[in-house]
Amino acid sequence: AQSVTQPDIHITVSEGASLELRCNYSYGATPYLFWYVQSPGQGLQLLLKYFSGDTLVQGIKGFEAEFKRSQSSFNLRKPSVHWSDAAEYFCAVGGPGTASKLTFGTGTRLQVTL
Amino acid sequence: SAVISQKPSRDICQRGTSLTIQCQVDSQVTMMFWYRQQPGQSLTLIATANQGSEATYESGFVIDKFPISRPNLTFSTLTVSNMSPEDSSIYLCSVETGYGYTFGSGTRLTVV
Repeated sequence: AQSVTQPDIHITVSEGASLELRCNYSYGATPYLFWYVQSPGQGLQLLLKYFSGDTLVQGIKGFEAEFKRSQSSFNLRKPSVHWSDAAEYFCAVGGPGTASKLTFGTGTRLQVTL
Repeated sequence: SAVISQKPSRDICQRGTSLTIQCQVDSQVTMMFWYRQQPGQSLTLIATANQGSEATYESGFVIDKFPISRPNLTFSTLTVSNMSPEDSSIYLCSVETGYGYTFGSGTRLTVV
């Protein structure tokens, strides 16, 4: 069965500091991996995705993530956090094909201090 | 990527009643997925809806409580039946188009 672990429930960083959100997954084959962001009262927005190829993936809003198969990880990074990045971040794993379902981690709430 | 129109965006309902949530996609998709996000929680898959066949429900979810319709390749509805306060959640639909999973904006349901 597929699963996702986000070990950090809540992270606080100062504006301008770097950020890394951790994500570990379990999947029986090559996974499709995603990071979504959810601002309060908002829907889910896709930040980036990994399907295959280059293991360093660039996304929107200056985010990037690195797929490490040996560690079953897909950590999200940003070199300099902005106050508007405060939100809930979800890592998710799925498989190829339109019939594949997504499994989400429990999320990491990011707080940004000024 | 696909654009999903989901409605209503929010509702407050009396216990014992039912609410039907609609999702319209701007392109034809094979599968549509329905998720629930309970307050302060992550997303949990309720069911997968394939056009022309019965939806496939995840463990813990049953058709009598969450009936789903999928009349064509661009539309689906989820009904939350005989509601109780425990059903207060955000309900989201999603599709996968080969470029990633797109989500509707969600329906925030409060049962009183």
